[in-house]
Amino acid sequence: DVKVTQSSRYLVKRTGEKVFLECVQDMDHENMFWYRQDPGLGLRLIYFSYDVKMKEKGDIPEGYSVSREKKERFSLILESASTNQTSMYLCASSLGTVGGYTFGSGTRLTVV
Amino acid sequence: AQSVTQLGSHVSVSEGALVLLRCNYSSSVPPYLFWYVQYPNQGLQLLLKYTSAATLVKGINGFEAEFKKSETSFHLTKPSAHMSDAAEYFCAVTFHSNFNKFYFGSGTKLNVKP
Repeated sequence: DVKVTQSSRYLVKRTGEKVFLECVQDMDHENMFWYRQDPGLGLRLIYFSYDVKMKEKGDIPEGYSVSREKKERFSLILESASTNQTSMYLCASSLGTVGGYTFGSGTRLTVV
Repeated sequence: AQSVTQLGSHVSVSEGALVLLRCNYSSSVPPYLFWYVQYPNQGLQLLLKYTSAATLVKGINGFEAEFKKSETSFHLTKPSAHMSDAAEYFCAVTFHSNFNKFYFGSGTKLNVKP
């Protein structure tokens, strides 16, 4: 079964820490995405990547960065975590437009 | 600008009743439309998709949706709700020239009463 795997389901970090969220897909997909999900706001795109070492800002990139050194791995980095970054983070990948996204199970991050 | 609007953040139906979840989109180019379902503490799972073929699309778990260009709608329906349908549902739109970037609605939580 094809998969998008997020390394942690639950994470608790302190304010000011540097946080890494990892996402790995085994489908040889070109496109990968990071979203955050908050009640009442739906999913908001943080960053996406359509190729190795390529990245594009989404709608809410402030306070985040990403890294894609290999095709299968897309990392989200919180440079200095803040409490307003407490959220559910969802990684997704896709091969093209028609197939839609495959999502990971999500990482619920709490910043205290 | 492209966007998706889901009417009703919460919908409650009785078991066995019709499920209707509304989605309207705004687009200047032909859209591709999707419905996803999310169960508690899980990622999103694809229910069905419209990609410019048949306008009535059937998905998993007995759900279907109809693309109506004149109404810019893509409402999700199921004839008879089951308790296991209780979840949050997201409508999404994308476009061929958009690097597969999706725009999601804010979601509708479906509650199914026994």
